[in-house]
Amino acid sequence: DIQMTQSPASLSASLGETVTIECRASEDIYNGLAWYQQKPGKSPQLLIYNANSLHTGVPSRFSGSGSGTQYSLKINSLQSEDVASYFCQQYYDYRTFGGGTKLELK
Amino acid sequence: EVQLVESGGGLVQPGRSMKLSCAASGFTFNNYDMAWVCQAPKKGLEWVATISYDGSSTYYRDSVKGRFTISRDNAKSTLYLQMDSLRSEDTATYYCARHGGVADYWGQGVMVTVSS
Repeated sequence: DIQMTQSPASLSASLGETVTIECRASEDIYNGLAWYQQKPGKSPQLLIYNANSLHTGVPSRFSGSGSGTQYSLKINSLQSEDVASYFCQQYYDYRTFGGGTKLELK
Repeated sequence: EVQLVESGGGLVQPGRSMKLSCAASGFTFNNYDMAWVCQAPKKGLEWVATISYDGSSTYYRDSVKGRFTISRDNAKSTLYLQMDSLRSEDTATYYCARHGGVADYWGQGVMVTVSS
C-alpha cells in the first residue's frame, strides 16, 4: 500500500501570510494527488485534483504543485475562512489519505 | 446542485449490525462510482469502500473486508453500507462521496458509535 506522509501536523499563521503544506508519497504516484479542506464540524471539500488542478469554485489563492513523490498545497494571502484541516489523498493506487494538517490563525 | 444525504447511524453494540444509506440527487447517479469514507473522532480520513457505477465492482479496505458490504440501487439513486460484526474501532463518522477518481462531493456524514 502507498503511504502518505503529510507535514506539518499543525500550523499557525497570520492573516495575509502564505502557507505551504507538504505531502510525501512512499512511491511515485504520477500526479494522482488531491487536496481536501475540512472546516470544523463539516464534511471535507475537494480543493485540488491531479496535483495542480483547481476544483470548481475554489478560490485562486489555493494552488497545488509537485510530482513524483513530493507534493504541496499553497495558500496565498491567508483568510480567516481558511482555518481548517487539510488532507492530501493519493489515487494512483487505490486511495490513501495523509494524516492531515490543522491550520490555525496566529 | 449535487446533494448526498446519509442516514441510518446511531449507537450499536459490538458484534451487531447496522445499515447506512445515502440518498443522491442533482446528478446522474448511475454515471458515477460511489464511495464511503470514515473519520474516527478527532482523527484523519480513511477510505472504507468503493462501488462502480453499475455495481459490478467493489473495493474494501482490509479492516472491513468480510464484514462490510457496499451496494447501490440506481433506480432509487441510493448508496448503502451494510456493516456486520461491528467493533469498537468502527466508531466514526461515515461519509458517502461521489467518486470520479477523487471524492468531488461529500455528504454531511452520519455518526456510528459501537459501544456496549
